[in-house]
Amino acid sequence: GEDVEQSLFLSVREGDSSVINCTYTDSSSTYLYWYKQEPGAGLQLLTYIFSNMDMKQDQRLTVLLNKKDKHLSLRIADTQTGDSAIYFCAEKGNTPLVFGKGTRLSVIA
Amino acid sequence: GAVVSQHPSWVICKSGTSVKIECRSLDFQATTMFWYRQFPKQSLMLMATSNEGSKATYEQGVEKDKFLINHASLTLSTLTVTSAHPEDSSFYICSATQGGQGREQYFGPGTRLTVT
Repeated sequence: GEDVEQSLFLSVREGDSSVINCTYTDSSSTYLYWYKQEPGAGLQLLTYIFSNMDMKQDQRLTVLLNKKDKHLSLRIADTQTGDSAIYFCAEKGNTPLVFGKGTRLSVIA
Repeated sequence: GAVVSQHPSWVICKSGTSVKIECRSLDFQATTMFWYRQFPKQSLMLMATSNEGSKATYEQGVEKDKFLINHASLTLSTLTVTSAHPEDSSFYICSATQGGQGREQYFGPGTRLTVT
């Protein structure tokens, strides 16, 4: 089946930029997503990118997509303590969303 | 944006009993709803996909007789965990899309089930 891989942990200092990386295997992916999950809560859609785009910027968030390498990244500028959460990469092709295991972002004040 | 609610947000039940979790789309019609299960510190595992008015499609390894899914209307899907056991304790999350396999899935806040 299709697979989505992410690093499990990332720790950054407040004010620095965070970059969370993701790779996927589904060549038919049409949309790729980033979700945020805070402790004990559901998923919050942060942003998404259509597969024919290379980059999308939304305020502090920048998504980069390298379709050839099937690599997706999420950059959070000026990371704040409120950004501490688990970030899930997900892809959608011909199947329902396939999620990565999530990257736990810890922001050190 | 579209809102999906779940009820209850948490539930504790005894082994052998059944528990029902509701998933509602509050301001849109959800032709397709998905049920996920999330173990601690792990990703979401898709359990089943349900389309309004038809039987749910279960993922491999998910017992359809244990996890009963009903999608009786365009705004409501229910997941019933029958004869619950402690290993069924988990975080259950539903999501919904408009118009079938739409590009966005809207997620509910999740239901934490603890079976004692």
